[in-house]
Amino acid sequence: GIQVEQSPPDLILQEGANSTLRCNFSDSVNNLQWFHQNPWGQLINLFYIPSGTKQNGRLSATTVATERYSLLYISSSQTTDSGVYFCAVYYNQGGKLIFGQGTELSVKP
Amino acid sequence: GAGVSQSPRYKVTKRGQDVALRCDPISGHVSLYWYRQALGQGPEFLTYFNYEAQQDKSGLPNDRFSAERPEGSISTLTIQRTEQRDSAMYRCASSSGQGVEAFFGQGTRLTVV
Repeated sequence: GIQVEQSPPDLILQEGANSTLRCNFSDSVNNLQWFHQNPWGQLINLFYIPSGTKQNGRLSATTVATERYSLLYISSSQTTDSGVYFCAVYYNQGGKLIFGQGTELSVKP
Repeated sequence: GAGVSQSPRYKVTKRGQDVALRCDPISGHVSLYWYRQALGQGPEFLTYFNYEAQQDKSGLPNDRFSAERPEGSISTLTIQRTEQRDSAMYRCASSSGQGVEAFFGQGTRLTVV
C-alpha cells in the first residue's frame, strides 16, 4: 500500500520562529489533508489541498502532486501552535484517508 | 449537527466485556469513517461507509470488531470480548462524499483494564 512519511518527527521552536513540515507519499493520490492534533487530542482541519498553494493566516501549504510531496509552513509560531501535525492522503479512488506518523511541534515562550 | 459527535468521550471497561462506540456525523454527510489511534501514532483506518453500505472493512483487526450504519446516518463500532490491546483512541470522521474533505469528531478514549 501507499506509504506516507512526515519529517521531521519532532521539532522544538522558540516563539516567533518559522518552520516547514514535509509530507512525502509513495504513490499518486487524489487528495491530501493537513491536520493539527491539539494537546486535548482534537484533530483540527488545516488544509484540504490536492495541489497548489493555500494560505490561512500564519499557515500555508503547498502540494506538488507530480513530485509526491506536500509542505506545511508555519510563520511567527506561537505557543498555541504546539501539538502534532498530520498529513493524510486519499488514495485509490478515494475512500481511505491514510495518515503519516506526524510531526510533534513544541513552541517555547 | 454542527460537527461530528462521538460518545462516550471516555470508556473504561473490563477485559472480556463488549463495548459500543457511537458516531453521529455532520448532517447530510454520506461518507463515514472509523479510525483507531494508538498513543504516539497516526490514526489507522478501520472501515468506512457510503450511506448505509459498508464499502471497506479491511482495517478491522479481527472478527471481534464490527461496524454498522443501518439508516445511513449514525454509526456504531462494536468491540466484542475486549482485550487490553484494544485500548486506544477511536475516531470517527464524515465527509460529503468519497474522497472529499473529512472532518473528525473528538474521539472516544477506550481503556480496557
